[in-house]
Amino acid sequence: DGGITQSPKYLFRKEGQNVTLSCEQNLNHDAMYWYRQDPGQGLRLIYYSQIVNDFQKGDIAEGYSVSREKKESFPLTVTSAQKNPTAFYLCASRGTSGNTGELFFGEGSRLTVL
Amino acid sequence: GEDVEQSLFLSVREGDSSVINCTYTDSSSTYLYWYKQEPGAGLQLLTYIFSNMDMKQDQRLTVLLNKKDKHLSLRIADTQTGDSAIYFCAVLNTGGFKTIFGAGTRLFVKA
Repeated sequence: DGGITQSPKYLFRKEGQNVTLSCEQNLNHDAMYWYRQDPGQGLRLIYYSQIVNDFQKGDIAEGYSVSREKKESFPLTVTSAQKNPTAFYLCASRGTSGNTGELFFGEGSRLTVL
Repeated sequence: GEDVEQSLFLSVREGDSSVINCTYTDSSSTYLYWYKQEPGAGLQLLTYIFSNMDMKQDQRLTVLLNKKDKHLSLRIADTQTGDSAIYFCAVLNTGGFKTIFGAGTRLFVKA
């Protein structure tokens, strides 16, 4: 079945460590997104990519980095520069031609900093 | 900047109708959405409405759009316990590349 796979589902990190969250899609979508979810704050956009080898900062990009070397993959690295990284991270994708703009989401990755 | 606002909590009795409200600031939004999130999971599209429509009905769901007041609502008829979840209002921004989300309304359904 087509969809978006995020891994790991749960991740624990010590302060000062970088961690990378994986996001893979087999929907043949051009655009991919990373959102951060905190209780009562909804979803905030971290980074997005409309095409391979290109990506743009979202509203809260500081302390995060991404790459888009393949259409199917859009990994997110949470660096030690991110001051408050404990959150639920959601990856999404969207087709970019003749559609309603619907986002397809993965199941999320919950990061906890110890 | 673009903003979407919605109340954080709603509690209803099983069998009643639920109405979740949302306001937004970008008057040029082309598509407006309602997404549903189950505990510990990602979001799934529940329904959407195009900006040139006033109403859309899909089984138990009714979406109303008031463009003048920039107000969107979702009505769930005959609410069931399985409808308990967080409901996000979202709009596609003018450029068509970013979706702006509200904070989400947590719906509690009492048996």
